[in-house]
Amino acid sequence: DSGVTQTPKHLITATGQRVTLRCSPRSGDLSVYWYQQSLDQGLQFLIQYYNGEERAKGNILERFSAQQFPDLHSELNLSSLELGDSALYFCASSAHRRGADGELFFGEGSRLTVL
Amino acid sequence: AQSVTQLDSHVSVSEGTPVLLRCNYSSSYSPSLFWYVQHPNKGLQLLLKYTSAATLVKGINGFEAEFKKSETSFHLTKPSAHMSDAAEYFCVVSGGGGSNYKLTFGKGTLLTVNP
Repeated sequence: DSGVTQTPKHLITATGQRVTLRCSPRSGDLSVYWYQQSLDQGLQFLIQYYNGEERAKGNILERFSAQQFPDLHSELNLSSLELGDSALYFCASSAHRRGADGELFFGEGSRLTVL
Repeated sequence: AQSVTQLDSHVSVSEGTPVLLRCNYSSSYSPSLFWYVQHPNKGLQLLLKYTSAATLVKGINGFEAEFKKSETSFHLTKPSAHMSDAAEYFCVVSGGGGSNYKLTFGKGTLLTVNP
């Protein structure tokens, strides 16, 4: 168990809809990362938050947005969904300490299916 | 810019035989390199990391990897495969500077272990 919790585990919705994925990081971790995993694109970095502020953006579409709340949990909002948004969405967290570079702790993912 | 190439998308071995998962990298910096493992329906877990100390790195569950700068390789090995090793393995290179969002993931190698 990584200590990172993601909900829901599975989500089925229709094109054009909006969904929210939720992530609770490991206790004490200030950084949260969102990744999208699909068969054709592999694991793609979407966005990072650190202590409530956006730190870095990757290949995140304008239809997608995220935020991190004061209690450090994070939400990824996906809107105007398209078939191609079907994927596994992972949240990860990390500690900011010497020697911990690259050490991410992943949740089990939220599998989104857009019909 | 950095990149990582996992040379095999699928490796199949028999239980008790050696495992070799190949990874080549490209990086403008002295890279940090990692292997992550993803078991079915689970999140990714850090297996081992190289950060410019010893070139032979030992990880969890009997895995190890050797950093070879001259070959720009970071292959993952295990002397004897176990059924529980069946999973997908990701080679990862860091962009340096302690920025976890700069992690670049390979496409993954699916390891199948036959009884």
